Amino acid sequence: EPEVTQTPSHQVTQMGQEVILRCVPISNHLYFYWYRQILGQKVEFLVSFYNNEISEKSEIFDDQFSVERPDGSNFTLKIRSTKLEDSAMYFCASRGIGGRYTEAFFGQGTRLTVV
Amino acid sequence: AQRVTQPEKLLSVFKGAPVELKCNYSYSGSPELFWYVQYSRQRLQLLLRHISRESIKGFTADLNKGETSFHLKKPFAQEEDSAMYYCALITSGTYKYIFGTGTRLKVLA
Repeated sequence: EPEVTQTPSHQVTQMGQEVILRCVPISNHLYFYWYRQILGQKVEFLVSFYNNEISEKSEIFDDQFSVERPDGSNFTLKIRSTKLEDSAMYFCASRGIGGRYTEAFFGQGTRLTVV
Repeated sequence: AQRVTQPEKLLSVFKGAPVELKCNYSYSGSPELFWYVQYSRQRLQLLLRHISRESIKGFTADLNKGETSFHLKKPFAQEEDSAMYYCALITSGTYKYIFGTGTRLKVLA
């Protein structure tokens, strides 16, 4: 069964450094998402991406964040200058066509620790 | 406001006992709701969705628009049901999810 794959599974970085979290969505999917979950809190939407552009972003997704789909297969989340409060589990998700009735498939997550 | 509420952080039941995980929502349009499950150290997986009215692993959920609820139920809990359960609302447009805070279900032997 096809899966969404995320790398790395765990990333430790120093405050102020740039990080890139990588995702390989399911190949025929068209919608791509990043969510994050701070320890002990709920899964929060960050950004959605469709047709090679951001279709929606949350208040969390400020100028420090960016997304790219550089080669038609990978989908990346970049945090330009990490802060301690960026420490969280980051989930990538993708979905195909089918409107609201089609579920999203999630990756296994990248745990980002900012020290 | 669009919101999903799961009032219980932790629910412990004995094996064979009935389970009900509560979910309430607030959404101005016609809601589409999902239940996702996360077993230990694994990814979020779809458990069931409101539209298909299916029963997966013995779980069912009924959308009650009057009470704005989508509670997850199982008549007889199994130890392998122990996991984190998330209720989610999908929005129109970008089809993003709004998740509840999740309920950890512990099924005791």
